[in-house]
Amino acid sequence: AQSVTQLDSQVPVFEEAPVELRCNYSSSVSVYLFWYVQYPNQGLQLLLKYLSGSTLVKGINGFEAEFNKSQTSFHLRKPSVHISDTAEYFCAVSDLDNQGGKLIFGQGTELSVKP
Amino acid sequence: GAVVSQHPSWVICKSGTSVKIECRSLDFQATTMFWYRQFPKQSLMLMATSNEGSKATYEQGVEKDKFLINHASLTLSTLTVTSAHPEDSSFYICSARVPYEQYFGPGTRLTVT
Repeated sequence: AQSVTQLDSQVPVFEEAPVELRCNYSSSVSVYLFWYVQYPNQGLQLLLKYLSGSTLVKGINGFEAEFNKSQTSFHLRKPSVHISDTAEYFCAVSDLDNQGGKLIFGQGTELSVKP
Repeated sequence: GAVVSQHPSWVICKSGTSVKIECRSLDFQATTMFWYRQFPKQSLMLMATSNEGSKATYEQGVEKDKFLINHASLTLSTLTVTSAHPEDSSFYICSARVPYEQYFGPGTRLTVT
């Protein structure tokens, strides 16, 4: 069985500061990894995903994440945040045997960007 | 990009009535769709996997007779909450599966009074 742990439930940060949202996963098989963003009362939008290849993945809105197999982590980073990045962020995992089917989500991290 | 719509976006119903929520993939076909439930300030909980032309697969603890799922075509899945109770009030989100990814709908806010 797989599980995802997002280590911070809330991350407050000032505008233009860098940010890192942490995600660790547990799985007995190889996995696909995802980061989604959710704005209030909306569905989820894919920020980026790791399927294979380069462990540094670049996504939309200036976000990037690095897959670290030895530490079973997939932390999300942005060098300079904007007010508009304020949202809930979810890390998710899916096992390869399922071809990116069923997703297991972390608990979410609320990013709050202050002026 | 691929777009998934949900209808209605919000609904208020009385306790004991049934409510149907539609999930459509607008510009692509999806043999598999997923239904999630999300409580305030919480993560998404997978309720069931909806496969076109076959019965849905429900996650442990989800009442299949209460949450009826029908995947009648490659672009439409419906979730019917039967005999709704206030504890069924929640945000329901669907997604459509494509290879290596899911596209999510905007969600439906259900309030049962």
